[in-house]
Amino acid sequence: DTGVSQNPRHKITKRGQNVTFRCDPISEHNRLYWYRQTLGQGPEFLTYFQNEAQLEKSRLLSDRFSAERPKGSFSTLEIQRTEQGDSAMYLCASSLDTRGGEQYFGPGTRLTVT
Amino acid sequence: AQTVTQSQPEMSVQEAETVTLSCTYDTSESNYYLFWYKQPPSRQMILVIRQEAYKQQNATENRFSVNFQKAAKSFSLKISDSQLGDTAMYFCAFMKPSNNNDMRFGAGTRLTVKP
Repeated sequence: DTGVSQNPRHKITKRGQNVTFRCDPISEHNRLYWYRQTLGQGPEFLTYFQNEAQLEKSRLLSDRFSAERPKGSFSTLEIQRTEQGDSAMYLCASSLDTRGGEQYFGPGTRLTVT
Repeated sequence: AQTVTQSQPEMSVQEAETVTLSCTYDTSESNYYLFWYKQPPSRQMILVIRQEAYKQQNATENRFSVNFQKAAKSFSLKISDSQLGDTAMYFCAFMKPSNNNDMRFGAGTRLTVKP
């Protein structure tokens, strides 16, 4: 296993379009996280899955955002009706089911909304 | 809510010298985890070092060590014998021991190692 992968690495879209990102976690990790990182800032937590169940969502995750993790494997993050303020790096991380466990990050998807 | 503050937006160090990055946090929890993550330019974040708050002993990983001051809520990272490959953004992160393991990150410190 080569770690957490994310696709696409870059996405440019026009305002109002929908976009979908994919994250493939490390295979034995049952926890999966999505973060958003804007320029000059640290990652901000968006949402978290334990297997296929989405257990927590940040207030940052507006109604235009939806995340899924069917069958507890890969995850998708969809943003509907994109806005310029959605431009950011979207990071995915995965971890084992242990408290305080290390999270392994993917390379991120950089979204630019024009 | 937990907050993490990194007061040094940018730092630089000469190759082979030692540099210390500072981090403070605010929490009412007594048990928690602290992390330093490194994000090289255009590359993914990787864990540098991890500290459990109930452990008195400061964590070390090769050239990287921390100075954990629980009462002061301070968690600084010392990099000894700096190498050019240490050039990166460094993020301090706090995790409370809840079920979700969600982390709070500081804004980061951009470290440049100069030859």
